[in-house]
Amino acid sequence: KAGVTQTPRYLIKTRGQQVTLSCSPISGHRSVSWYQQTPGQGLQFLFEYFSETQRNKGNFPGRFSGRQFSNSRSEMNVSTLELGDSALYLCASSLEGQSFEKLFFGSGTQLSVL
Amino acid sequence: AQSVAQPEDQVNVAEGNPLTVKCTYSVSGNPYLFWYVQYPNRGLQFLLKYITGDNLVKGSYGFEAEFNKSQTSFHLKKPSALVSDSALYFCAVRDALIYGGSQGNLIFGKGTKLSVKP
Repeated sequence: KAGVTQTPRYLIKTRGQQVTLSCSPISGHRSVSWYQQTPGQGLQFLFEYFSETQRNKGNFPGRFSGRQFSNSRSEMNVSTLELGDSALYLCASSLEGQSFEKLFFGSGTQLSVL
Repeated sequence: AQSVAQPEDQVNVAEGNPLTVKCTYSVSGNPYLFWYVQYPNRGLQFLLKYITGDNLVKGSYGFEAEFNKSQTSFHLKKPSALVSDSALYFCAVRDALIYGGSQGNLIFGKGTKLSVKP
């Protein structure tokens, strides 16, 4: 089985632009979560989607949004980029989205905002 | 509120020696506890988890962790370290009471860099 796939792998944007990141979960997995990883703040939860519905959301501004499609693929969007949005964005999937399940992570999208 | 602490930024051990990476947590209800490992330029890989039952949990690559409720700790251990174990290790916790039915808000520690020297 293919693992979690995130595209693109690297992205460079300028302040004020918007960006869309893509995540394809493991086949059959229904839950997709997004995390932001930075050297200063570590790993922080952005949101979780299950069956095309956002179930949980972390403490991020409304500039950060996402969606999930009927095939469980997910996208996250960041509008009006700020320098502080530079980070590794990780997508993770799980089979049934239960809280005790392990997460399978993708390799991430490294976003640099100039 | 949920929180997790990894008190050591870096742990250095010699190959063949036992290793311990420390983790303490705080939740309101019962904890679901996880350890993940991250290699350079890669995503996180699952090592092991504690949900309920036996306090000693065995995981991938010879790692194990002991859940201690009274000390609110979940330290990661391995009897004999390998150079290939060198990586960044993350402890994570989720409050089962709050997020019983979903993957919401897994709280990660800051990470501990493990360096194993030959």
